Amino acid sequence: NAGVTQTPKFRILKIGQSMTLQCAQDMNHNYMYWYRQDPGMGLKLIYYSVGAGITDKGEVPNGYNVSRSTTEDFPLRLELAAPSQTSVYFCASRTSGGAVDTQYFGPGTRLTVL
Amino acid sequence: QKEVEQNSGPLSVPEGAIASLNCTYSDRGSQSFFWYRQYSGKSPELIMFIYSNGDKEDGRFTAQLNKASQYVSLLIRDSQPSDSATYLCAVKGTNAGKSTFGDGTTLTVKP
Repeated sequence: NAGVTQTPKFRILKIGQSMTLQCAQDMNHNYMYWYRQDPGMGLKLIYYSVGAGITDKGEVPNGYNVSRSTTEDFPLRLELAAPSQTSVYFCASRTSGGAVDTQYFGPGTRLTVL
Repeated sequence: QKEVEQNSGPLSVPEGAIASLNCTYSDRGSQSFFWYRQYSGKSPELIMFIYSNGDKEDGRFTAQLNKASQYVSLLIRDSQPSDSATYLCAVKGTNAGKSTFGDGTTLTVKP
């Protein structure tokens, strides 16, 4: 299993550009998450999904959109990029059952907006 | 008040010492508590979870939970330089779909 994969690893955007961060998991997990991590800070939840077709806002959803058309994929869309969106973005997934409520994280996407 | 607060770092301990990391949370209905380790430039990985009051031990790691005081801690015994990382406390509250993370405490273990 590849686990949680994210593309791209790095990206530089100009102010006002748009892009989609890709996230995929092959563990058949129902729950998927997008976080951002600013330098020296913890993880802030952007959006999450409890299954295909169901998404909900987290703490910091402004400037982002998501969709979940399949169990495997959970892309994050940035519209009109701003310098405040410079951050490292992590995608995570977890199963909805089981004894351990572990979130498995992807390797992250480092985004810079200039 | 932040939902999840961790003691501000950085924390520095000598090799072989006990490192103590603390976390408080505001949602009294919180059910599950997690400690993640994050090496610089890497993604977080789960090292401990605890659901019930008391202590839970796993090797050199002990998680302690006190729901009445809304407090969870992580003790690392016989600290090693390889334990140098940022430790993130995460709490799953009444919304079972998501967890809230603290800002992390950076630990440095000096040889």
